[in-house]
Amino acid sequence: NAGVTQTPKFRILKIGQSMTLQCTQDMNHNYMYWYRQDPGMGLKLIYYSVGAGITDKGEVPNGYNVSRSTTEDFPLRLELAAPSQTSVYFCASSYGTSGRAYTDTQYFGPGTRLTVL
Amino acid sequence: GQQVMQIPQYQHVQEGEDFTTYCNSSTTLSNIQWYKQRPGGHPVFLIQLVKSGEVKKQKRLTFQFGEAKKNSSLHITATQTTDVGTYFCAGPRGGNKLVFGAGTILRVKS
Repeated sequence: NAGVTQTPKFRILKIGQSMTLQCTQDMNHNYMYWYRQDPGMGLKLIYYSVGAGITDKGEVPNGYNVSRSTTEDFPLRLELAAPSQTSVYFCASSYGTSGRAYTDTQYFGPGTRLTVL
Repeated sequence: GQQVMQIPQYQHVQEGEDFTTYCNSSTTLSNIQWYKQRPGGHPVFLIQLVKSGEVKKQKRLTFQFGEAKKNSSLHITATQTTDVGTYFCAGPRGGNKLVFGAGTILRVKS
């Protein structure tokens, strides 16, 4: 299994440009997540999905959009890029069968390092 | 919203010294997870603690969950250069989501 893969690894955007960050997982996980990581700030949840066709906002959704047409893919769309969106973006997935006491382990992709100038 | 606070933010130790990072929540947690992120890498799951007062060991790493389930710690005995990275704790947000602490960056001088 490749696990969670993300493309591209690096990208530089100009202010106002748009792009899509790709994320694919081959573990048949139900849940998928998008995080951004800023220095010293931990990981902030942007959007998540509990299954194909179902998405919901996380802590910091403004400026982003997602879709989940298949179990495997969860692309993140940036419209009108701004310098504040300079960050490292991680996609993650989890199986989605945890009970009340347990929370599923999340498996992370290698990340996309995005700079907006 | 729910937060988990992690201290210290940064620690620089001599190889062979011990290291501890602490995680605190204002609310009771049903469980807590720990992840490690190597420099330039992605977070990798280390362990999940569920029971009050639970202690788990992985070689030189010892994880504890407080009796009140509001705090947790990760202790590394005799650090090695392979231990460098950022250590995150993460508590449940609900619906299989996690809220991550800000992380503790560990640097090891050889």
